Amino acid sequence: AQSVTQPDIHITVSEGASLELRCNYSYGATPYLFWYVQSPGQGLQLLLKYFSGDTLVQGIKGFEAEFKRSQSSFNLRKPSVHWSDAAEYFCAAHTGTASKLTFGTGTRLQVTL
Amino acid sequence: DAGVTQSPTHLIKTRGQQVTLRCSPKSGHDTVSWYQQALGQGPQFIFQYYEEEERQRGNFPDRFSGHQFPNYSSELNVNALLLGDSALYLCASTLSGELFFGEGSRLTVL
Repeated sequence: AQSVTQPDIHITVSEGASLELRCNYSYGATPYLFWYVQSPGQGLQLLLKYFSGDTLVQGIKGFEAEFKRSQSSFNLRKPSVHWSDAAEYFCAAHTGTASKLTFGTGTRLQVTL
Repeated sequence: DAGVTQSPTHLIKTRGQQVTLRCSPKSGHDTVSWYQQALGQGPQFIFQYYEEEERQRGNFPDRFSGHQFPNYSSELNVNALLLGDSALYLCASTLSGELFFGEGSRLTVL
């Protein structure tokens, strides 16, 4: 079955530290990949997406993600975290139907000052 | 330009009741999809509507039904509510392969 896995349920980092959130996918072929952020009481906001081409993808708010086919991974990174980055982060994928995303269970990011 | 808007934002129902949630897509978006997000989980795809017809459906029972109107707005109906239907229901509209999500309707079933 197609699936997206986020191994880390909760991560705590200090403000100014670097961040990496892990995402692995299990699909027969490489899916379209996405990272979304959800702040408390808010909907989901798209951070970045990967369809094809350059495996390092730049997104909004200083985030980037690297697609690694050999590891079936699409990890999200940020060089220096800000307190406002505290939120829930979701990795998601689809195989051609843009509306039909499969989401991971999310990683909650806590930022300490 | 208004984003995806959903109503109501919060509601409480009791088991066995029926609920209708509403969604207006972003201007120009003709495809609407619905997701259920249980507490502590990622969103799960319920179904997608395009041209007033259900086009794709996730693994949800027939108690979950929907409708899309000529102006592209949409409704999600859930019959015979169960405690397990308590969740945040998200609506999303699509343009050029990107989903834009509303802030959701939080349903509590008692």
